[in-house]
Amino acid sequence: AQTVTQSQPEMSVQEAETVTLSCTYDTSESDYYLFWYKQPPSRQMILVIRQEAYKQQNATENRFSVNFQKAAKSFSLKISDSQLGDAAMYFCAYRTRLNDMRFGAGTRLTVKP
Amino acid sequence: DTGVSQNPRHKITKRGQNVTFRCDPISEHNRLYWYRQTLGQGPEFLTYFQNEAQLEKSRLLSDRFSAERPKGSFSTLEIQRTEQGDSAMYLCASSLLAGPTDTQYFGPGTRLTVL
Repeated sequence: AQTVTQSQPEMSVQEAETVTLSCTYDTSESDYYLFWYKQPPSRQMILVIRQEAYKQQNATENRFSVNFQKAAKSFSLKISDSQLGDAAMYFCAYRTRLNDMRFGAGTRLTVKP
Repeated sequence: DTGVSQNPRHKITKRGQNVTFRCDPISEHNRLYWYRQTLGQGPEFLTYFQNEAQLEKSRLLSDRFSAERPKGSFSTLEIQRTEQGDSAMYLCASSLLAGPTDTQYFGPGTRLTVL
């Protein structure tokens, strides 16, 4: 069964600094999709970035980028130039071939002014 | 652009009662998903539809849970004989099957409290 592990329950970063959130997953599939979602307090889940496993190039979206290591089954999220609005729960997710999403337990990111 | 909407946003009920939640997906999205999220955890997949067909329901938590999407548009999730352990946030997401990415967009959720 596919599982997603986020080993950092909480992280903190100074405004304008860079932070990396870790995610590892377990799967026997060769073709799949990985996602990072952001869930601000009392607000809905928002897609941050996605990565297709068949692509070797790491995905980037403005200040957000990933480090995808397929052999190591690692999918970390880097947030550059952190802003106060980045404070949220961040969930790593794996989409199975049956189209359900498996989520990690989340990392709570705090941004200090 | 209208996102995914869910109603009600909050529901308080007594143990043993039945509850029904509604999800309206993004217009023209043909896939619709239901998740449950308990405090401090990531969402847990329950079921999904492609148009009106329920393609995966083995992950529904028990036979007290059922979902419908009769016309391929909105969906309902029903929990019968609620238990205190059913207290959670119930999330709906939708996607458009057009290419491989099939990205899911989430609604704000319905928070259920069972007394």
